[in-house]
Amino acid sequence: DTAVSQTPKYLVTQMGNDKSIKCEQNLGHDTMYWYKQDSKKFLKIMFSYNNKELIINETVPNRFSPKSPDKAHLNLHINSLELGDSAVYFCASSQAAGGPREQFFGPGTRLTVL
Amino acid sequence: DAKTTQPNSMESNEEEPVHLPCNHSTISGTDYIHWYRQLPSQGPEYVIHGLTSNVNNRMASLAIAEDRKSSTLILHRATLRDAAVYYCILKGHTGKLIFGQGTTLQVKP
Repeated sequence: DTAVSQTPKYLVTQMGNDKSIKCEQNLGHDTMYWYKQDSKKFLKIMFSYNNKELIINETVPNRFSPKSPDKAHLNLHINSLELGDSAVYFCASSQAAGGPREQFFGPGTRLTVL
Repeated sequence: DAKTTQPNSMESNEEEPVHLPCNHSTISGTDYIHWYRQLPSQGPEYVIHGLTSNVNNRMASLAIAEDRKSSTLILHRATLRDAAVYYCILKGHTGKLIFGQGTTLQVKP
């Protein structure tokens, strides 16, 4: 009964490859997010979708493309992977975007680019 | 986006109260004060939030200064499982959570 789940948990790949990370929430929330946590442990928002519409896009390279097939899913596709993309990626969801609503985070996907 | 300032690290003894401070002098009238924590190798976890009044929940209490320029997260009895990085975040209408470096809490047995 995991609220926010991500697959895979670990992803090791070569530079230049294309990979996807999947996220699903079973909370019935309208808003979903992707965050990146780098090696220095700084967490930074990348994208946010509300009802399948992109509402936040934080100057992320266009090699990163989020896709929301429905409200419960927000996948992250990364083209032409670079060494600097190595990080832990967290998906999150909330009932609504603004206001007091808390965000629920997934367990993270550790991406290692060799 | 308004910024918060927290001490880099704090230590506590098990079963004692812990007060984690946060300064947010540029807070706007509509910003909510949120606290999250991140246990080792896990995703961030919501702890508590408030707007103007002090708040209590099963995990913690949040004390908000009258001018709202600072707040304090209170863990009433720290346990070893409370060792984590605690983030104080101002959440505005966009819904963005802007994480700072947080406070790393060490709990000693």
